[in-house]
Amino acid sequence: GENVEQHPSTLSVQEGDSAVIKCTYSDSASNYFPWYKQELGKRPQLIIDIRSNVGEKKDQRIAVTLNKTAKHFSLHITETQPEDSAVYFCAASLVSGGSYIPTFGRGTSLIVHP
Amino acid sequence: DAGVIQSPRHEVTEMGQEVTLRCKPISGHDYLFWYRQTMMRGLELLIYFNNNVPIDDSGMPEDRFSAKMPNASFSTLKIQPSEPRDSAVYFCASRPGTYTDTQYFGPGTRLTVL
Repeated sequence: GENVEQHPSTLSVQEGDSAVIKCTYSDSASNYFPWYKQELGKRPQLIIDIRSNVGEKKDQRIAVTLNKTAKHFSLHITETQPEDSAVYFCAASLVSGGSYIPTFGRGTSLIVHP
Repeated sequence: DAGVIQSPRHEVTEMGQEVTLRCKPISGHDYLFWYRQTMMRGLELLIYFNNNVPIDDSGMPEDRFSAKMPNASFSTLKIQPSEPRDSAVYFCASRPGTYTDTQYFGPGTRLTVL
């Protein structure tokens, strides 16, 4: 099965700084990589995803990069704001039974200090 | 759309008792997932269903755990007998069968086993 490692487990930044969260995966067959954001006491919600035929994807202040050769992908948040404070989960998805099934990393707690 | 609905939101029980968690997926979604979230192990996939049929239950920790989906609008996760180490937040998520791989999470059930 797939194994996803996520680092760091905690990340503390000042408002306006950039934040980078990195994930590695083990199964080269994984080809869909979503990122979820979970605010305190709330449910995880998708914020951005990338597929293996794309190296980078951006959506306003967030971007994700993928290196399939090295089997790692990263989330970049620029100009961080206090409302970016949350736990971020990466996932690597294998096709199983005709559908993508994600394996999640253990999460990164991002704290943005005003 | 009310989104994925889970009940109860909080459950406190004593060791040895039976616990039943409930989930109503988003109407029209073909896939339903049960996850367990703990600080130690992060977000773990327990089991998932496609069109009410269990596809992969390899994440179910022990025989004490069982899940059913009697129809397209309802699923249960049962723990019998419960143990303190089962204390966690249990999330249900659903997903359409086509056009998107995004999972939509419910609000979660926080289970405490004393």
